[in-house]
Amino acid sequence: KAGVTQTPRYLIKTRGQQVTLSCSPISGHRSVSWYQQTPGQGLQFLFEYFSETQRNKGNFPGRFSGRQFSNSRSEMNVSTLELGDSALYLCASSANPGQVYEQYFGPGTRLTVT
Amino acid sequence: GESVGLHLPTLSVQEGDNSIINCAYSNSASDYFIWYKQESGKGPQFIIDIRSNMDKRQGQRVTVLLNKTVKHLSLQIAATQPGDSAVYFCAEPSAAGGTSYGKLTFGQGTILTVHP
Repeated sequence: KAGVTQTPRYLIKTRGQQVTLSCSPISGHRSVSWYQQTPGQGLQFLFEYFSETQRNKGNFPGRFSGRQFSNSRSEMNVSTLELGDSALYLCASSANPGQVYEQYFGPGTRLTVT
Repeated sequence: GESVGLHLPTLSVQEGDNSIINCAYSNSASDYFIWYKQESGKGPQFIIDIRSNMDKRQGQRVTVLLNKTVKHLSLQIAATQPGDSAVYFCAEPSAAGGTSYGKLTFGQGTILTVHP
């Protein structure tokens, strides 16, 4: 079974631009969570989606948004990029919400904002 | 302003030694914990979990100990190998209103380096 895939793997953007990151969960998984990983703040929860609905959201500004499609694939968008948005963005999937014990992470998208 | 990075604890061991990685938590109501391993260029990978009704749980070469009195977790890796070199995180899921969410709160992590 293929793992969680994230595209692109690396991305360079300039301040003020926007970016969209994509996550394809493991086949059959319907819940997708997103995390931001930085040296300064560590791993921080962004949001969780299930059945195309956002179930939970972390403490991030409104510039960070996401969505989930009917095939469970998810995208997150960051608008008006700031230097501090440079991070590794990780996506994790599980069969159902709350099943963190069976939550699998993708390799992440490394975003660099210049 | 300048951002200050997390100063991750580091642990350096020789191949074949046993490793112990520690984690403290603050919420005495926490009832489930997970240890993750993150290798360079990869996402976190589940290692082992433990529920609060247990003090100890063993896996393959790994043991997690839970001390609820002092709110402390430890991950013990037996016969550490170079392939164990990674960052190790403890994490706990958040729940609100009796509903489980797929939200994990991670500890700061520990960098384990295994020397051949």
